[in-house]
Amino acid sequence: EPEVTQTPSHQVTQMGQEVILRCVPISNHLYFYWYRQILGQKVEFLVSFYNNEISEKSEIFDDQFSVERPDGSNFTLKIRSTKLEDSAMYFCASRAGTSGGTYNEQFFGPGTRLTVL
Amino acid sequence: GENVEQHPSTLSVQEGDSAVIKCTYSDSASNYFPWYKQELGKRPQLIIDIRSNVGEKKDQRIAVTLNKTAKHFSLHITETQPEDSAVYFCAARLMNRDDKIIFGKGTRLHILP
Repeated sequence: EPEVTQTPSHQVTQMGQEVILRCVPISNHLYFYWYRQILGQKVEFLVSFYNNEISEKSEIFDDQFSVERPDGSNFTLKIRSTKLEDSAMYFCASRAGTSGGTYNEQFFGPGTRLTVL
Repeated sequence: GENVEQHPSTLSVQEGDSAVIKCTYSDSASNYFPWYKQELGKRPQLIIDIRSNVGEKKDQRIAVTLNKTAKHFSLHITETQPEDSAVYFCAARLMNRDDKIIFGKGTRLHILP
């Protein structure tokens, strides 16, 4: 069964450094998402992406964050200058387009644990 | 925007007993309510969902109920087993083009031997 994949599984970085988290969504999916989960807390929506542009972003997704689909397979999240509070698990998700008026399930990747020192 | 409240934050039940987790949501436009199970260090896994035009749905030992008027929905797990121990998240989703998922804060379920 196809799965969303993410790399790396764990990223350690120094405060102020740029990081890029990578995701490979399921191949026929059209909608892409990033969520984050601070340790012990709930999963929070960051951004949704469709047709090569951001559809919606949360207040967490400020100017330090950007997303890109550089080719037909990857979907990346960039944090330009990391802060200590960016330490979290970042989940990518994707879903297929609607079928018969039914919105499909979002499938989550395994996550990238980002540690900012 | 949507806000999802979830209770309790921690729940311990004897193996074989039932567990109930309750959630409320704020945006009456939300029309889809998934439940996720998350084991330590793993991704959230969808275990059951319910759409706003349905009041109840069951899948083996798991059932969900939805009260649209009160904006309440609940997860019921019967005959609990050790492998049910995990964190459970309720969520609300507006099934439009963007359909972000808004999660509750989670319930840590402990199944006691």
